Amino acid sequence: AQTVTQSQPEMSVQEAETVTLSCTYDTSESDYYLFWYKQPPSRQMILVIRQEAYKQQNATENRFSVNFQKAAKSFSLKISDSQLGDAAMYFCAYRPPAGANSKLTFGKGITLSVRP
Amino acid sequence: DGGITQSPKYLFRKEGQNVTLSCEQNLNHDAMYWYRQDPGQGLRLIYYSQIVNDFQKGDIAEGYSVSREKKESFPLTVTSAQKNPTAFYLCASTEGGRTYNEQFFGPGTRLTVL
Repeated sequence: AQTVTQSQPEMSVQEAETVTLSCTYDTSESDYYLFWYKQPPSRQMILVIRQEAYKQQNATENRFSVNFQKAAKSFSLKISDSQLGDAAMYFCAYRPPAGANSKLTFGKGITLSVRP
Repeated sequence: DGGITQSPKYLFRKEGQNVTLSCEQNLNHDAMYWYRQDPGQGLRLIYYSQIVNDFQKGDIAEGYSVSREKKESFPLTVTSAQKNPTAFYLCASTEGGRTYNEQFFGPGTRLTVL
């Protein structure tokens, strides 16, 4: 079974600084998908970024980028120029390559606080 | 606007009672999912459905039941057999196909057992 590990339960960053959230996963698959979801205090889950394992290029979405290390099974999220609105829980998720039948496996999440 | 709605937002139940959480989507998505969220536990899958009239157990299905009579609806019943039902429940949906589809989430229902 796939597992997703987020070993840091909490992190803090100064506004305008950069922070990296760590995620590791375990799988025997060679093709799969990885996601980072954000859950702000409203508790609405929002997709931040996704990465296809067969793509070597790291995904980027504005201030958010990932460092995908397939051999190390590592998928970290970098938030640049942190803003107060980035304060939230962040979940890393793994999905195997089986179409809509695939289930997401989530990590336990990390709570990010942003200091003004 | 397309999206997923869950109702109610807050739900209180007495011990021994069954309660049904509603989840409706107008995204024309094939697959729907129910998750439970507890502090420090992340999201755990309860049930999922890939198509109408079909559903499968997730990782923590005991004490829960679902139905999928319509594509847009996937209600979750928390039965009296669920020993610790107080939690935050999230419904999600995704398109069919083999693309790397994200799951879209509803706003959630907070269930409290009194």
